[in-house]
Formats: sequence, structure tokens, C-alpha cells
Amino acid sequence: GAVVSQHPSRVICKSGTSVKIECRSLDFQATTMFWYRQFPKQSLMLMATSNEGSKATYEQGVEKDKFLINHASLTLSTLTVTSAHPEDSSFYICSGRTAYNSPLHFGNGTRLTVT
Amino acid sequence: QKEVEQDPGPLSVPEGAIVSLNCTYSNSAFQYFMWYRQYSRKGPELLMYTYSSGNKEDGRFTAQVDKSSKYISLFIRDSQPSDSATYLCAMSPMEYGNKLVFGAGTILRVKS
Repeated sequence: GAVVSQHPSRVICKSGTSVKIECRSLDFQATTMFWYRQFPKQSLMLMATSNEGSKATYEQGVEKDKFLINHASLTLSTLTVTSAHPEDSSFYICSGRTAYNSPLHFGNGTRLTVT
Repeated sequence: QKEVEQDPGPLSVPEGAIVSLNCTYSNSAFQYFMWYRQYSRKGPELLMYTYSSGNKEDGRFTAQVDKSSKYISLFIRDSQPSDSATYLCAMSPMEYGNKLVFGAGTILRVKS
């Protein structure tokens, strides 16, 4: 149980374009999903908390206009990287939990490369 | 100083060895502790989670928390080559799923 599916697993895009990453909870409903970013050999950094039916909450230093989050249903959250630049290249990972105060289950991540 | 410190390794052990992975932390408010395993180019996989101090065992894995020393450990018995991965500790003051602070991870290599 508690499977999180993330798509695509890898994407290469040109500078200035936008990329959408999907995160689905396959066997549970997630009122809240969390988006993380991971740089090589560094720890996961929380970017934003995605709440079903309401606006996302962004961590300090994360540009909400660059990283658009939509959580339109209990099983789907999307992250759109707008006007991507090479410095946005990273590993993006979403996660969800089956209930309040239960541990997070992560998707397999999306490797974004901006050329 | 980072809130959570974790030796990056790599830690190389022979198959069958007992592995000890550790994290130290500075925030005494942390109460919820987790260990994740991450294979290359994959997302983290939950291994163990514990609340406050004490031990928890699940198969070959044992998680220990010593809040007085601000120190947590993950022990792996009878290590296997398939255990080769990066192990991340994570902790939170609030709940298991919110405001997690992760360690940078320890690379483990189990040699057959």
C-alpha cells in the first residue's frame, strides 16, 4: 500500500520553456502532498506543501510564480516549472501520506535537465 | 551547523555484516524520527519510523533513538548486497509527515 506514482521520470527541456510534473497517489487519498527538491549528494529540501482544493504553501526562498502547484483532486498534484533555466535542473520528488501524522511515501522522482 | 548531521560515507562492509548508520541533531524539539532508503535515481523508501526515545525492530532493521544525546541509529543485520543504497535519516518536531528535516544521507556498499 501507499504507492505514489510520479511522471515523467526524466525530462530535458530548453531554457525558457515550462515543464509539468505529475504526482499521483495510487491506493490512497492524499489531502496533502509535499514537493521536495534534491541536489546531488545533498539532503531533500521541502519546496512546498500542496493542499487539495486550496493554494499551496511555499517554503521560504521558493518562488511561487516559478513553481506552480495544483492539487485539483485527492489523488493528483502537479508541479509546473515555468520559464525553466539551467539552475532549475534538479531531482524533484513528491510525497504523500495516508493519514495525518503518518510517515511520507515518496514517488520515484523526476530528473529535470534544462539546457 | 546543520540541524541534522549524517556521515556521507561511503561505508563499505562485507555481506553478512552488521551495519550501523547514525545521525546527530541539534534541535531538541525533534520527536518524530524516520529512516529512508534511496537507490540511485529513485525516490526515498520508508524503512522505519519511531516516536521519541527507544528501540524499534522490524525484520533485519532496528531503529534506536537517544534523545538525551540527540543521536539516532539504524542497525542492519545480515547485510545483503541489495542493501547497497543511500540511507537518509529524517526528523520532525510536529508529526511524521510535516516539516521534515533530512540528513544528507550515508552511502552504504555491501560487498558479496
